Amino acid sequence: DAGITQSPRHKVTETGTPVTLRCHQTENHRYMYWYRQDPGHGLRLIHYSYGVKDTDKGEVSDGYSVSRSKTEDFLLTLESATSSQTSVYFCAISGGGLQSEAFFGQGTRLTVV
Amino acid sequence: DQQVKQNSPSLSVQEGRISILNCDYTNSMFDYFLWYKKYPAEGPTFLISISSIKDKNEDGRFTVFLNKSAKHLSLHIVPSQPGDSAVYFCAARGSNTGKLIFGQGTTLQVKP
Repeated sequence: DAGITQSPRHKVTETGTPVTLRCHQTENHRYMYWYRQDPGHGLRLIHYSYGVKDTDKGEVSDGYSVSRSKTEDFLLTLESATSSQTSVYFCAISGGGLQSEAFFGQGTRLTVV
Repeated sequence: DQQVKQNSPSLSVQEGRISILNCDYTNSMFDYFLWYKKYPAEGPTFLISISSIKDKNEDGRFTVFLNKSAKHLSLHIVPSQPGDSAVYFCAARGSNTGKLIFGQGTTLQVKP
């Protein structure tokens, strides 16, 4: 299995509070991604990174920010959590060029109450 | 604006028969396509991929077909097994970007 760890695995937070999810990899892969999975919407890309300090928006980036200060860590921050951000969040990593597969973490279930 | 679409939310097939899952895309810059399988409470796992320079790629029971003119790809599973029951996602990536875009998923049920 690819060395990718998400933390925390579960979190309940209150509306309006900031939340940070962490993705840690041991594969030295260039690309890292954050997705959310919701019924009927599949996996939607929030933000991705193509190198240290190099990030770009995905399909549903409003309300989220990311940072990548080291190759191995990609942080996703919900600046002020809302109930619409209740979801399962997945991190993925990809190396070996643009024609290579991505490997996913186990997911973080976030509930905003 | 959904760039990758899986228009069938669900599919049910009998064990031993063929399962065909479909995916359409709109962005002509996509040149690498992937299929993932997902069980509940787990992360998606990679199944098979295809480059735009090919029209078919096979790996055991799984075959992916690509029709670039129609912007359509399909995953064939033959023979289908009950353990194949899962959600299947197609994904696409372009040659000039690292963005990896997924479809909505199709839930496959293989009945014994």
